[in-house]
Amino acid sequence: GEDVEQSLFLSVREGDSSVINCTYTDSSSTYLYWYKQEPGAGLQLLTYIFSNMDMKQDQRLTVLLNKKDKHLSLRIADTQTGDSAIYFCADLNSGNTPLVFGKGTRLSVIA
Amino acid sequence: GAVVSQHPSRVICKSGTSVKIECRSLDFQATTMFWYRQFPKQSLMLMATSNEGSKATYEQGVEKDKFLINHASLTLSTLTVTSAHPEDSSFYICSASSSARETQYFGPGTRLLVL
Repeated sequence: GEDVEQSLFLSVREGDSSVINCTYTDSSSTYLYWYKQEPGAGLQLLTYIFSNMDMKQDQRLTVLLNKKDKHLSLRIADTQTGDSAIYFCADLNSGNTPLVFGKGTRLSVIA
Repeated sequence: GAVVSQHPSRVICKSGTSVKIECRSLDFQATTMFWYRQFPKQSLMLMATSNEGSKATYEQGVEKDKFLINHASLTLSTLTVTSAHPEDSSFYICSASSSARETQYFGPGTRLLVL
């Protein structure tokens, strides 16, 4: 089946940029997502990118998509302690198929 | 944007009892709803897919008699954990999509603790 891989941990200093990477196997992905999960809370959709785009910027967040290499990244500029959370990458084939999630990257921000 | 709610947000129950979790799409009609389970420090695992008016499709390894799913209307799906045991303690998250949208919207999740 389809697979989404992420590194499990990332630690950065407050004020630095964070880059969370993700690779996926589905060549028919239509959308790719980044979700944030704070402790004890549900998933929060951070941003998503359509598969025919290669970049999307939304305030401090920049998503880069390399469709040829099936590589997705999320860059958080000026990382703050409130950004500490688990970030999940997910890919969608169509609206009526379930998302395929990665295992999540735990971002720790050091003050 | 589309809103999906879940109720309750947290539930604590005794072992052997049944718990019902509701998932509602508040401002759109959800032809398909998904139920996920998240174990601590792990990603979401798909449990089942439910289409309005038909029986749910369960993923391999998910007991359909234990996790009863009903999708009786275009805005409501329910997950009932029957005869709950402590190992059923988990975070249950639903998502919903409509035929008109190319994305899914997630509920906030329900944390179940079975004592």
